[in-house]
Amino acid sequence: GENVEQHPSTLSVQEGDSAVIKCTYSDSASNYFPWYKQELGKRPQLIIDIRSNVGEKKDQRIAVTLNKTAKHFSLHITETQPEDSAVYFCAASGVTGGGNKLTFGTGTQLKVEL
Amino acid sequence: SQTIHQWPATLVQPVGSPLSLECTVEGTSNPNLYWYRQAAGRGLQLLFYSVGIGQISSEVPQNLSASRPQDRQFILSSKKLLLSDSGFYLCAWSTKGINQPQHFGDGTRLSIL
Repeated sequence: GENVEQHPSTLSVQEGDSAVIKCTYSDSASNYFPWYKQELGKRPQLIIDIRSNVGEKKDQRIAVTLNKTAKHFSLHITETQPEDSAVYFCAASGVTGGGNKLTFGTGTQLKVEL
Repeated sequence: SQTIHQWPATLVQPVGSPLSLECTVEGTSNPNLYWYRQAAGRGLQLLFYSVGIGQISSEVPQNLSASRPQDRQFILSSKKLLLSDSGFYLCAWSTKGINQPQHFGDGTRLSIL
């Protein structure tokens, strides 16, 4: 099955700096890669996703890059703000049996310091 | 717009007791439905998914079961809870189709004593 590794487990940046979180996946058949933000005690919320037919996607201060050959993808947050502090999860998905099965990374605790 | 509801929000149960967690989706029809468990400080582990009424796929052998009695209702159950069943249980839905985003409910925090 799919295995997703995520680094770093914790990340501390100064407000206004950029943050980068990296994930690798094992199954070359995976073709959908979402990123979720989870605040303490809350539901994971989808912040951006990328499909395997593109190499980069951007939404305001958030961008995701995908390298299918190397089987890794990254989340980039620019001009970080205190409200960006949360746990971020990457995931990889392939279609099987009619359902989209997501395999999640173990999460990155991002802390944006004033 | 689509919404997903889970209840209860928190639950404290003794070891050996039964469990029933419910999830319902509004504003869409024939969704794919998912149950995940999140241990403290960990990622999300897929437990079950369903592509239609009565169709359940289990991902991890365990003490839990799932059922989908109606199109937009997904239930997670156990006959006898174990200490290891403690965690944050999340229901999610997606539309049919390849690589559709999954949207999560608010979750149920389950503590086993």
